[in-house]
Order: sequence, then C-alpha cells, then structure tokens
Amino acid sequence: GDSVTQMEGPVTLSEEAFLTINCTYTATGYPSLFWYVQYPGEGLQLLLKATKADDKGSNKGFEATYRKETTSFHLEKGSVQVSDSAVYFCALFDMEYGNKLVFGAGTILRVKS
Amino acid sequence: DAGITQSPRHKVTETGTPVTLRCHQTENHRYMYWYRQDPGHGLRLIHYSYGVKDTDKGEVSDGYSVSRSKTEDFLLTLESATSSQTSVYFCAIRRQGSYYGYTFGSGTRLTVV
Repeated sequence: GDSVTQMEGPVTLSEEAFLTINCTYTATGYPSLFWYVQYPGEGLQLLLKATKADDKGSNKGFEATYRKETTSFHLEKGSVQVSDSAVYFCALFDMEYGNKLVFGAGTILRVKS
Repeated sequence: DAGITQSPRHKVTETGTPVTLRCHQTENHRYMYWYRQDPGHGLRLIHYSYGVKDTDKGEVSDGYSVSRSKTEDFLLTLESATSSQTSVYFCAIRRQGSYYGYTFGSGTRLTVV
C-alpha cells in the first residue's frame, strides 16, 4: 500500500539557519503530495501542495518540489524563525488508494533564538 | 474556516468504559474522517464517512466504531477503552471535489487509565 517516510526528528536549528526535512513516498498511482504543519496545541494546517511531477509548492517561505524520479518531496526553507517551531507532516493523496490522505510520522522542528 | 468542532477537548477515562467523541461541522461537507495521532506514527486513519449512514474502516479501526446519523455530526465510539487507545484524536472534513481541501479540528486528547 501507499506510504510516506520522513526523516526522524527532532530537528533543532538556530534562527536564520537553512532547513531541509526529507520526505519520500511509495504509491501505486500518481499521488498528490502535501506538507502539513501542526503548531503546539492545534490541529493540522495545509502548508503547501504539489499535484504532479516537477511541480513546486510554496508558502510562507517554505518550498518543496515533486520529484517523481526519486519519489521525494523534501521541504526547504532558506531562513527559519522561532515561529516556525512546529511538527511538520508529509502526506500523499492517491485517487487509486481510496481517496484518503496518508501521512508520514511527522518531524518536530525546534528553532532557537 | 470550515467550522469544525471537536468535543470534548480533553478526557480521562478508565479502562473498560465506553467513550464517545464528537465531531461537528457547520458547512454540510460530505466527507468526514477520524484520525489518531501517536508519536512515531503520524496520523493514522481510524474510520471515515462519505455520507449519512455511509462509513468505512481505515487502517486502525479495531476497537472503534462510528456513526453518522446526520450530515453535521460524526461520532467515534470506543466500546471498551484500553490503555493502547490513549492518543490524540483528530477529526477532519474534506470538500467534495477537492482532494486537498482537508480541514482538521483542534483535537481531543484522550487518556485511558
């Protein structure tokens, strides 16, 4: 079945550092890919999405490119802020797999000032 | 904002007791989902609904049942709570025709002692 694998955390960075969170996927069809963010005590919010190969999703300074050849969707940000501290989830939606979101395990990001 | 409310926000219950969690939406969306969130596992789908009285199992449905007698409410029941069901439970809705239009509730933290 479909699955998503994320790098384990927590990831601890200093403010203004460069961020990469790795995500790879396995899917039977041609999924859409997402990054969700969860701030402390809250539900998940959609951060960005990409619906086909080579698409780049971007939002709030975060970017991720849909790489079909490496089945990856790594999240990047050039300069993180303390307010970016949260849990980040990579996810896929595969129309051939029951129309459901499948999530990775999540990566905790801590940014120190 | 899709107007999605979960209740209760926190609950402590004893092993063997029945527990019902409620998800309420105000915008008449067809698709509703229950996920549980556990460290190292991300969000895993318990059950979902694609209409009134139309429900199906997710990947971790054992020990859980659901009901949807009206569009706006999706109930998750633990018939006899166990310590392994201690978790944070999230409800989500999806806009019909949009495979990325998920909105998540704020979660219910359930502790089974």
